[in-house]
Amino acid sequence: AQKVTQAQTEISVVEKEDVTLDCVYETRDTTYYLFWYKQPPSGELVFLIRRNSFDEQNEISGRYSWNFQKSTSSFNFTITASQVVDSAVYFCALSEAEGYGQNFVFGPGTRLSVLP
Amino acid sequence: AAGVIQSPRHLIKEKRETATLKCYPIPRHDTVYWYQQGPGQDPQFLISFYEKMQSDKGSIPDRFSAQQFSDYHSELNMSSLELGDSALYFCASSLGRQDNIQYFGAGTRLSVL
Repeated sequence: AQKVTQAQTEISVVEKEDVTLDCVYETRDTTYYLFWYKQPPSGELVFLIRRNSFDEQNEISGRYSWNFQKSTSSFNFTITASQVVDSAVYFCALSEAEGYGQNFVFGPGTRLSVLP
Repeated sequence: AAGVIQSPRHLIKEKRETATLKCYPIPRHDTVYWYQQGPGQDPQFLISFYEKMQSDKGSIPDRFSAQQFSDYHSELNMSSLELGDSALYFCASSLGRQDNIQYFGAGTRLSVL
C-alpha cells in the first residue's frame, strides 16, 4: 500500500531563515510520481512540483528547491530565505503511474509559520 | 488561465438533508477527482472519473454518489448528511493519462448542523 509520511507537524521559523520540509514515502510500484502542494490560509491547494520516480535530479525554482532520493524514499522541500507569505500547510503526495484514476495519497501535511 | 471552478464555495445543511456539489474542470481536462478534507487533516480521495466513466473509487460513503457529464463537469451528490460530513470538498482535474498533475479548485466548505 502507498503511504506518505511528513514527520514534522508544525514548523516555525523567522523570516529569512531557510527551512526544510521532510517527506518520506512508501510504495511497491517501480514507477510513481511525487508532488508537493501548498495550502495557504485561504484554503486552496496550489501545485508546486511533480517528480517521477526515474528523475532524481534536484530541482530549484527561485527560493524553492527539492531533493529526491530514491535510496531513502525521500522527497524533501527546502525554502530558502523564507517569507511571511510562505506560511501555509504543505502537503507531499504520491501517485501511481498506471491506471486511469491515478489518485493521490497525501501526507498529513506540515504547517509552516514564518514569523516577521 | 482558466482554473477548476467549484460551486458553491460554502454550503450549510442540516442533518439528513442532501447536498450537491459541482465541479467544472479546466477546459480540455478529461479527468476529475473528488477529495474530502476534514479539519486539520489531509485530503482523502473519494472518487475519480475519466472520460465520463468512473475510473477509481476511494473512501466514498455509500450515501454519496457522483458522475461526470458530457461537458466533463462533475457533480458530487451527498444524501442523509451527517455531522461528520462537515469538511472541505475539493475537486481536481487533469489531462488524464497524458499529464497527471492535478489542479485543484478552491473547494466547497460544507457545514452540517
